[in-house]
Amino acid sequence: QKEVEQDPGPLSVPEGAIVSLNCTYSNSAFQYFMWYRQYSRKGPELLMYTYSSGNKEDGRFTAQVDKSSKYISLFIRDSQPSDSATYLCAMNTGNQFYFGTGTSLTVIP
Amino acid sequence: DAGITQSPRYKITETGRQVTLMCHQTWSHSYMFWYRQDLGHGLRLIYYSAAADITDKGEVPDGYVVSRSKTENFPLTLESATRSQTSVYFCASSEVRGGGTQYFGPGTRLLVL
Repeated sequence: QKEVEQDPGPLSVPEGAIVSLNCTYSNSAFQYFMWYRQYSRKGPELLMYTYSSGNKEDGRFTAQVDKSSKYISLFIRDSQPSDSATYLCAMNTGNQFYFGTGTSLTVIP
Repeated sequence: DAGITQSPRYKITETGRQVTLMCHQTWSHSYMFWYRQDLGHGLRLIYYSAAADITDKGEVPDGYVVSRSKTENFPLTLESATRSQTSVYFCASSEVRGGGTQYFGPGTRLLVL
């Protein structure tokens, strides 16, 4: 069983839609929970990270962590064509980081 | 250039050859990481370093060697390249232990024939 499971998609939505991206994990020792965005042929860039269960909002992005269910989500409101990318969830114990396989998102104008 | 850079950006080599991928960061971050990214596996940690002369294994270290004689450089060496090491390699750095803020380089695409 993988440490982190993520639906690879692809996901295609119209501009302005609300997007929900999800990951599940198995290791209860994970401490930080992160979401990265990766454009084609580029390195990942950090979008958000959280430490505890609950919600964290940053502009159009909301990260949600439910440690009891070992489930994390990223919501994108008012999605834009520029949001088209692959979204990776990640989590860690100390310096051991584990990434999901990524969900490919396309926002159609 | 400020930030984190990787070289070469593209590399083709043959099975059995030694290959070294370079990573350089200008922030003086303590922590540096090497990942490989493959379809179906996502990003997997190969090695990380907490400071100069301190390195440790990640999830998939076999076949790789790292060194860190200077804070800003973290080269990754494939001692005897195999086809299964064909991948995209990303270097990252962070100033915080275990924290979420890792900054990634642009990646090196390696093809082993």
